[in-house]
Amino acid sequence: KQEVTQIPAALSVPEGENLVLNCSFTDSAIYNLQWFRQDPGKGLTSLLLIQSSQREQTSGRLNASLDKSSGRSTLYIAASQPGDSATYLCAAPPEYGNKLVFGAGTILRVKS
Amino acid sequence: EPEVTQTPSHQVTQMGQEVILRCVPISNHLYFYWYRQILGQKVEFLVSFYNNEISEKSEIFDDQFSVERPDGSNFTLKIRSTKLEDSAMYFCASGTNHFATEAFFGQGTRLTVV
Repeated sequence: KQEVTQIPAALSVPEGENLVLNCSFTDSAIYNLQWFRQDPGKGLTSLLLIQSSQREQTSGRLNASLDKSSGRSTLYIAASQPGDSATYLCAAPPEYGNKLVFGAGTILRVKS
Repeated sequence: EPEVTQTPSHQVTQMGQEVILRCVPISNHLYFYWYRQILGQKVEFLVSFYNNEISEKSEIFDDQFSVERPDGSNFTLKIRSTKLEDSAMYFCASGTNHFATEAFFGQGTRLTVV
């Protein structure tokens, strides 16, 4: 059974800092993994989809890495801005089954 | 850009009432999903749907829940007799293939049961 864990649960940083959000998953036979952003009370915005054959995926100031063998993914945010303040969710599929298993998220606050 | 549309954005209902949450998937998509997120908790999978039948459902998706694609465009989630603990954000997603990570999510319907 796939379980997804995210650390830290919350993070508060000053503007401009580079930061790393961590995601671990128990079932490493995944075909890909997805990072989402969620603003308070809002929907899910897909940020990055990283395939199992890739080690990294980049979009702007965001970079996601995937290490299947260790069951880990990281989301790196460069030069953080107050507008990056949100909850960041990691989601992975189980080995069998067509669905996403979500982590509890990291609540990020970037202070100006 | 095509998007998954959910209506209403917020619904308030009395305990015991039936509710239908509506989703309009992207037009060429064949795989459909419902997830829910209770306030402060993880997003949880409810059900997946393909070829007019349920592909997979979670233990949350009990007899109180049902899904339907009534007219080939809408995809609905019905809760037969709502309970207070059904209060949550419900997300619909649709995709062109069986890779759930490649599905597109709607903006959600916030259901409040009073």
